[in-house]
Amino acid sequence: KAGVTQTPRYLIKTRGQQVTLSCSPISGHRSVSWYQQTPGQGLQFLFEYFSETQRNKGNFPGRFSGRQFSNSRSEMNVSTLELGDSALYLCASSSDAREKLFFGSGTQLSVL
Amino acid sequence: KQEVTQIPAALSVPEGENLVLNCSFTDSAIYNLQWFRQDPGKGLTSLLLIQSSQREQTSGRLNASLDKSSGRSTLYIAASQPGDSATYLCAVPALYGGSQGNLIFGKGTKLSVKP
Repeated sequence: KAGVTQTPRYLIKTRGQQVTLSCSPISGHRSVSWYQQTPGQGLQFLFEYFSETQRNKGNFPGRFSGRQFSNSRSEMNVSTLELGDSALYLCASSSDAREKLFFGSGTQLSVL
Repeated sequence: KQEVTQIPAALSVPEGENLVLNCSFTDSAIYNLQWFRQDPGKGLTSLLLIQSSQREQTSGRLNASLDKSSGRSTLYIAASQPGDSATYLCAVPALYGGSQGNLIFGKGTKLSVKP
């Protein structure tokens, strides 16, 4: 069974640009979550989607948005990039509530 | 607001040693706790998930315990090997509006096992 796949692996952008990250969950998993990881703040929850609906949202500005498609694949978008958005963005999937969370390898975003 | 703390932040041990990593959480109303491993620049690998009704989970040389009443969990690694070197994180579901997709993480313990 394939794991959680995130693309691209690395991204370099400049301030003010926008970026879209992609995540394909494990087959059969309907929940997809996104996290931001930085050395200072650690892992912080961005949002979770379940069956194409946003189920939970963390404390991030509206520049961070996401969506989930009918095949459970998810995308995350960050508009008007800031230097502080440089981070490792991790996607995770699970089959349902109270089950293990499985993570992808992440997308390393650098904003110059 | 749930907070998760991991002590120590870093640990260096010689190969073969048994060791314990600690995780504490402020609100005991959790339904499970999950331990992860992260290698540098990589994603997280799930190690063990302990449901609130359980006290222990074991996988190979790893054993995790959960004491909800005291707000603590420990990850025991037996006979450590250099390949165990990584950062270990614990996480619990957020209390309000929480689901398994919305986890609160500790900052992790960076483990280095010397040959």
